Amino acid sequence: ETGVTQSPTHLIKTRGQQVTLRCSSQSGHNTVSWYQQALGQGPQFIFQYYREEENGRGNFPPRFSGLQFPNYSSELNVNALELDDSALYLCASSLTGVVYGYTFGSGTRLTVV
Amino acid sequence: DQQVKQNSPSLSVQEGRISILNCDYTNSMFDYFLWYKKYPAEGPTFLISISSIKDKNEDGRFTVFLNKSAKHLSLHIVPSQPGDSAVYFCAASAPYGGSQGNLIFGKGTKLSVKP
Repeated sequence: ETGVTQSPTHLIKTRGQQVTLRCSSQSGHNTVSWYQQALGQGPQFIFQYYREEENGRGNFPPRFSGLQFPNYSSELNVNALELDDSALYLCASSLTGVVYGYTFGSGTRLTVV
Repeated sequence: DQQVKQNSPSLSVQEGRISILNCDYTNSMFDYFLWYKKYPAEGPTFLISISSIKDKNEDGRFTVFLNKSAKHLSLHIVPSQPGDSAVYFCAASAPYGGSQGNLIFGKGTKLSVKP
């Protein structure tokens, strides 16, 4: 059974650019959630995808968008990057409705300069 | 406004002793509480959870206590081991609205277990 894998592990972007982060969910999991963890903070919910549709969203602007593919993998896209977008981005997969079953990936460290 | 608060950024404990990590919350609608452990360069790992209808859940060395009237939960680790050294996050599950199913995390407590 494979876990959640995220790519890339590290990324440096310039303010104003766009970035795409990728996540492969754990085998058997059909739901993917994305979290942003700023330095010294706990992870913050960005959004969740189920059956290729957004299934819930936290307090993040529309320039944060996502996709889920038929194989349940997912992408997080961020447009018009700002310095405050620098953070660890975590992907978590689960079976819908099973909140204690989240499996997190190791994250992508994004630095915006 | 933080809905889940971990007021102790760090905790240092001697090996073999008890570690107690605390967490407070403000929203009485939370229906599930979870503890995650995080090592550097890794994602959070699920540790233990408790439903809001219970007041205690135990799994080996780990016990979580929930006091709904005080909106407080705690994680007890007995006995503490050096391998327990990590950042521990308290999280609550939000069953409502557009954030259904998402987890709301505290800022974490860094536990150091000294040999």
